[in-house]
Amino acid sequence: DQQVKQNSPSLSVQEGRISILNCDYTNSMFDYFLWYKKYPAEGPTFLISISSIKDKNEDGRFTVFLNKSAKHLSLHIVPSQPGDSAVYFCAASEDINNDMRFGAGTRLTVKP
Amino acid sequence: NAGVTQTPKFRVLKTGQSMTLLCAQDMNHEYMYWYRQDPGMGLRLIHYSVGEGTTAKGEVPDGYNVSRLKKQNFLLGLESAAPSQTSVYFCASRPGSYSYEQYFGPGTRLTVT
Repeated sequence: DQQVKQNSPSLSVQEGRISILNCDYTNSMFDYFLWYKKYPAEGPTFLISISSIKDKNEDGRFTVFLNKSAKHLSLHIVPSQPGDSAVYFCAASEDINNDMRFGAGTRLTVKP
Repeated sequence: NAGVTQTPKFRVLKTGQSMTLLCAQDMNHEYMYWYRQDPGMGLRLIHYSVGEGTTAKGEVPDGYNVSRLKKQNFLLGLESAAPSQTSVYFCASRPGSYSYEQYFGPGTRLTVT
């Protein structure tokens, strides 16, 4: 039972354009969401997060949007750079003391 | 400051063999986790620990055991390996209950034949 779903296994964009990675969840109790980035042969690294009390969080080129009514969040990368090519995981948690659930990941390729 | 390290990086086991994966962190984090990553499945939690001497089951604990005898180390054991345990294993640590962010090791690729 995957509570966090990333329905696009891969995404390819041109350098300088916007990358939009999507994530859907089924558990309405989730109240904190994170995005992790993973390069080959490395562990995931934290990228950006958002609490359920917000609908947007920005950090440089990265912005996460949360739509609670649709149980959907998205990660926007503007402008995309070749170094952004990686697998991006969406994760969610009910509260600080609960397990985190991860999506299957989306492989982003940014072409020069 | 090495962060989270995992030993070994690769391992091939025959069905029925046992092994232990070691995770070490030098950040004085309270919480530690073991995940497995399989194609199309994302990261799934096997076991975790909220402090030295404590362990708890995650989403997929069957076939695994863990121990946290020292705060900086978290061991994952496979008593009798099965082909279904072929996976990439990630260890992670987290400062404590005040922070959601987890810090991951580089992973161990395990193949069971």
